[in-house]
Amino acid sequence: GEDVEQSLFLSVREGDSSVINCTYTDSSSTYLYWYKQEPGAGLQLLTYIFSNMDMKQDQRLTVLLNKKDKHLSLRIADTQTGDSAIYFCAEKADSWGKLQFGAGTQVVVTP
Amino acid sequence: DAGVTQSPTHLIKTRGQHVTLRCSPISGHKSVSWYQQVLGQGPQFIFQYYEKEERGRGNFPDRFSARQFPNYSSELNVNALLLGDSALYLCASTLDSYNEQFFGPGTRLTVL
Repeated sequence: GEDVEQSLFLSVREGDSSVINCTYTDSSSTYLYWYKQEPGAGLQLLTYIFSNMDMKQDQRLTVLLNKKDKHLSLRIADTQTGDSAIYFCAEKADSWGKLQFGAGTQVVVTP
Repeated sequence: DAGVTQSPTHLIKTRGQHVTLRCSPISGHKSVSWYQQVLGQGPQFIFQYYEKEERGRGNFPDRFSARQFPNYSSELNVNALLLGDSALYLCASTLDSYNEQFFGPGTRLTVL
């Protein structure tokens, strides 16, 4: 079966780096995604990584993928108060694009 | 270009009623997916449509149905509403089934 797991909460000081972790179980996943959700809003696609990559960097965001351990992480450098949100890890669960989401990690940035 | 749009933004219904939610994908996108997000949880996949055909269905009862129109917009219908159907319903569009999905703001459904 498919299951995506994330830690539920992360508190970080403004200016520090945040690291959000995710584990998945479907070894056939081709793409893995990170989405951000602010209160009362839909999901914003932050970044994604193809399963044959180990790392992807996009401005303040760095995605690391350990396919052997089925572990995905998102690092946010120089975390700002505007980064406070819920972050979802998702895997593409079939060839047609169904996404399997984790429960989300709430990130709280303190001054 | 406008992003994914959904209507209505909020909706209140009572148990046993029927509801129709609407979604317009990004211009040029041919695939639409629907997700249900219960408070405090991640989104759960309901349906995916591509070129008006159902390509995937999640573990939801037959009370849930959907369709896609020739202009690629989509409707999600839920019959015989239950309290547990209260959730944020998200629509996502993608160019085709292989590309990243972009989400709309969602419709907040409350069933009393």
